[in-house]
Order: sequence, then structure tokens, then C-alpha cells
Amino acid sequence: QQQVKQSPQSLIVQKGGIPIINCAYENTAFDYFPWYQQFPGKGPALLIAIRPDVSEKKEGRFTISFNKSAKQFSLHIMDSQPGDSATYFCAASRSGTASKLTFGTGTRLQVTL
Amino acid sequence: ETGVTQSPTHLIKTRGQQVTLRCSSQSGHNTVSWYQQALGQGPQFIFQYYREEENGRGNFPPRFSGLQFPNYSSELNVNALELDDSALYLCASSFTSADTQYFGPGTRLTVL
Repeated sequence: QQQVKQSPQSLIVQKGGIPIINCAYENTAFDYFPWYQQFPGKGPALLIAIRPDVSEKKEGRFTISFNKSAKQFSLHIMDSQPGDSATYFCAASRSGTASKLTFGTGTRLQVTL
Repeated sequence: ETGVTQSPTHLIKTRGQQVTLRCSSQSGHNTVSWYQQALGQGPQFIFQYYREEENGRGNFPPRFSGLQFPNYSSELNVNALELDDSALYLCASSFTSADTQYFGPGTRLTVL
């Protein structure tokens, strides 16, 4: 059973564009939602994370939007750069278990010049 | 401060063999989690160790087992390897099970 559904599977945007990656979860006990960035041959690296008590969080060019009633959250990358080309994973976990993550299937982002 | 390290980087085994993967956690971290990442998929939680005790397990059979040592480094053992065990195995460490975790580069296991 896939508890975190992620879309799209792949995404191509031009430099400066704003790619948006969406995730939906099923388990209402989830209350920690991080996004990870993974480059080929590397492990995932934490980008930004949100808890359900806020609807939006920004860190640099990365923004998470969170809709608790719809059980959805999304990642926006402002002013995207070719160096942002990577695979992005959303994830979710329950309170007190932030390191037992359930991941989405990933979105391969390509930012072109 | 050193990050999470894993060894070996790559490994090739044949079906039915056994394998041991190793992980050194980030300095000060007492919790280690292991994940399996099949090609084109997100990581799947295998299990977690906290202060040398198993602290949660995902949907993996008993032939996947682990250890955590007093220095908080960890091993993942897989017995009776199957072709579907071919994947990137990721180790992640955190201060506690409630904290953000940091991933190592992974071990690429190929089962022939």
C-alpha cells in the first residue's frame, strides 16, 4: 500500500521557471513532511520540512505549501537553476518518529538553459 | 564533523549468498535507520536501531537483520539473497528517532 503518492514522475522546466511537485498522503497520523533532493550516486539530502500547524514554509528558493484538509502538500522551486536538476522525494512520518519515513516515488526534475 | 559513511560503495553477489553492509553514523547521532531504494523508486524503510536496540521495522522479511554497535555504527545483513534484493541500500543517522535524519551515499548491491 503506497501511503504517499507523488506527481509528476518527471518534469522539465526552463531556467527561471517554477517547478511544482505534488504529494498526497493517506495516513492522518502523519504530521512531519520533509522534502529530499537526490543527485545521481548520492544519498537523499534534506531540503525543507513542514508540520501541519502551518500552511506554508519558505527556505531560500524552496517553498512547501500544505493543505491539511486535502491531505496534500507541494514543493515549489523559485527561479530554478540547472543545478537544481535532481530527483526530489516527498516523505511523511508520525510525531516522534521523524526518522521512520515513508517516501513518495520521486520526481526527476530537469532544468534547461 | 564527519557525515554518514557507508561501505562498500558497490557489491555484486549471487542469488542465495549472504551480504553485510556497514554504516558509520554522523558524530553524536545514536539512531541509525536503513532504507532500500530500488531503481526509480523512493527509499523503503527497513528498520531502525536506537542505542543498540531495534526500534521499529518496515515490511521486510526476517532474512533482513541488523546490528548497532556501542559506537553507534551499524550493519545490515541480508541472508539468502534474491534477485529483487538488487537496490541501493541507504543508511541514515539522527540524534534520536524523533529528529531529522541525514543519509549516507548508499551501497549499490547487485544480485545475479
